[in-house]
Amino acid sequence: GAVVSQHPSRVICKSGTSVKIECRSLDFQATTMFWYRQFPKQSLMLMATSNEGSKATYEQGVEKDKFLINHASLTLSTLTVTSAHPEDSSFYICSARDQQDKGEQYFGPGTRLTVT
Amino acid sequence: GQNIDQPTEMTATEGAIVQINCTYQTSGFNGLFWYQQHAGEAPTFLSYNVLDGLEEKGRFSSFLSRSKGYSYLLLKELQMKDSASYLCAVRDWNSGNTPLVFGKGTRLSVIA
Repeated sequence: GAVVSQHPSRVICKSGTSVKIECRSLDFQATTMFWYRQFPKQSLMLMATSNEGSKATYEQGVEKDKFLINHASLTLSTLTVTSAHPEDSSFYICSARDQQDKGEQYFGPGTRLTVT
Repeated sequence: GQNIDQPTEMTATEGAIVQINCTYQTSGFNGLFWYQQHAGEAPTFLSYNVLDGLEEKGRFSSFLSRSKGYSYLLLKELQMKDSASYLCAVRDWNSGNTPLVFGKGTRLSVIA
């Protein structure tokens, strides 16, 4: 199957700072990528849909000015958590759709963000 | 909108068979997925159903009934490593870019 990578896998930052998470599709082109957030013992909640070359579409309740998404190429999307707070601590997972493979959605390994 | 329901927790014995149910309500439907997720890791794909019936893949099988809005994941010959969360996800064709929408997941514990 296709491979999606995320970097970093873990990050600890201080409250008020910004953190950038990268999501890459390694062996396919992804016009659409999705960003999910998962709190402990809860399911994946969709945050936003990232489309190459256009603005991201955010789910209700997700602040677009706080969670900046950039999808500059067909293989890279970035999520920047700005002015991070402890309540932003979570597991962030990106997913990319391979249009050549029945639209299968492949997941990255996730990024564990801890804000102190 | 979408509504996806599955049991929160299940326990089963090593070597046994377990069935995890999922019911869904969506405005459109373009496929149901099952994923396995171990704690602290990303979900891994298990199965995909878009037509009614049973899809078998080794020890895992998945069933879909579109008219009933119902699916189940069947795990046979359970192994300790099968202890994980199992996520039911639906692709709602009417949701623009059609991301997968996930249920809350079923935490399966396999005991000796």
